[in-house]
Amino acid sequence: AQSVTQPDIHITVSEGASLELRCNYSYGATPYLFWYVQSPGQGLQLLLKYFSGDTLVQGIKGFEAEFKRSQSSFNLRKPSVHWSDAAEYFCAVGARRDDKIIFGKGTRLHILP
Amino acid sequence: GAVVSQHPSRVICKSGTSVKIECRSLDFQATTMFWYRQFPKKSLMLMATSNEGSKATYEQGVEKDKFLINHASLTLSTLTVTSAHPEDSSFYICSAKGLAAETQYFGPGTRLLVL
Repeated sequence: AQSVTQPDIHITVSEGASLELRCNYSYGATPYLFWYVQSPGQGLQLLLKYFSGDTLVQGIKGFEAEFKRSQSSFNLRKPSVHWSDAAEYFCAVGARRDDKIIFGKGTRLHILP
Repeated sequence: GAVVSQHPSRVICKSGTSVKIECRSLDFQATTMFWYRQFPKKSLMLMATSNEGSKATYEQGVEKDKFLINHASLTLSTLTVTSAHPEDSSFYICSAKGLAAETQYFGPGTRLLVL
């Protein structure tokens, strides 16, 4: 069965510092992988996705993620965070045979001024 | 990008009443729509998948008679919470996907509070 693990419930970084949010997945074949961001009271916004090809994926708002098959990981990175990046971040895995997406439990990002 | 709306954004109802939540794809035809439930400080749980003109497919543990899903057109799906109880209070989020699309687009969510 598919599953997604985000080991960090909360992460706090200073504004301007680099960021890495961890994500590990379990899936029997090559999955679709996603990172979404959810701001308070708002819906989910897709940051980036990996379906195939280059394992380093560029997304919106300066985010990137790297698919590492050997580690079953899809970590999200940003070189310099902004106060507006404070939000909940969800990693998700989707099956190729259907359109279902399974979400991780999320990581809450806090930004220190 | 594609836009998905939900209505209402918030609803408060009395226990025992039914509540309908609408999910609309505004600028594309959504052949498949998904309904999720998000508990406070928790992840999203997929409730059901609906294809236009077909009966919804519910995930294990989701009561189909409790959560009625209708996907009557390519731009509209509705979720009706029947005989709502306080434990049904939650944040309900829909998403929509076009036939040739690889990505689901999410609505802003509906906050349901059952008193």
